[in-house]
Amino acid sequence: EDQVTQSPEALRLQEGESSSLNCSYTVSGLRGLFWYRQDPGKGPEFLFTLYSAGEEKEKERLKATLTKKESFLHITAPKPEDSATYLCAVQANTGANSKLTFGKGITLSVRP
Amino acid sequence: NAGVTQTPKFRVLKTGQSMTLLCAQDMNHEYMYWYRQDPGMGLRLIHYSVGEGTTAKGEVPDGYNVSRLKKQNFLLGLESAAPSQTSVYFCASNLAFYNEQFFGPGTRLTVL
Repeated sequence: EDQVTQSPEALRLQEGESSSLNCSYTVSGLRGLFWYRQDPGKGPEFLFTLYSAGEEKEKERLKATLTKKESFLHITAPKPEDSATYLCAVQANTGANSKLTFGKGITLSVRP
Repeated sequence: NAGVTQTPKFRVLKTGQSMTLLCAQDMNHEYMYWYRQDPGMGLRLIHYSVGEGTTAKGEVPDGYNVSRLKKQNFLLGLESAAPSQTSVYFCASNLAFYNEQFFGPGTRLTVL
């Protein structure tokens, strides 16, 4: 069974204080690992897809990295508007129609 | 483009009542999904569809039915609502199963 564990559950940062969010996973062959951002009362918004170990993707202050067992979402010099819940999901390479398995999310609060 | 829309945004039901949640997408996506999100749990897949006229069970399908009569619409039905179905429901869609999913804004359902 595919599993995704995100840590920590919640993270409080001061504006400008860089940090990393962790997503550990077990999957029977990884097709893709997805990162989403979710604001309160809204649906998840897609950020990145990573496909193979060593891959990195960046978007503004966010950088996602991938190893064979985990992914990190690095946040550099965060701003209050980066406050949100960040979701990680994996998709197994088990053929057509393989579904996403989501973690519980990490709630990030950035204080001004 | 409106993306993925959901109606209604909020609903309160009494135990035993029925209702239908509507999801619509204007991106010509083949795949559509219904998830529920509960506190302390990751997004869980209820049902999904790989194309017009097709539906399939996800991780937590009991108590729900779905229909996809038109490509752009995916309906989620609760025939006899139970308090355990109190949740936030999200619809999502993608072009192919391995692409990122686009989520709607959610429906907050309370069953008393």
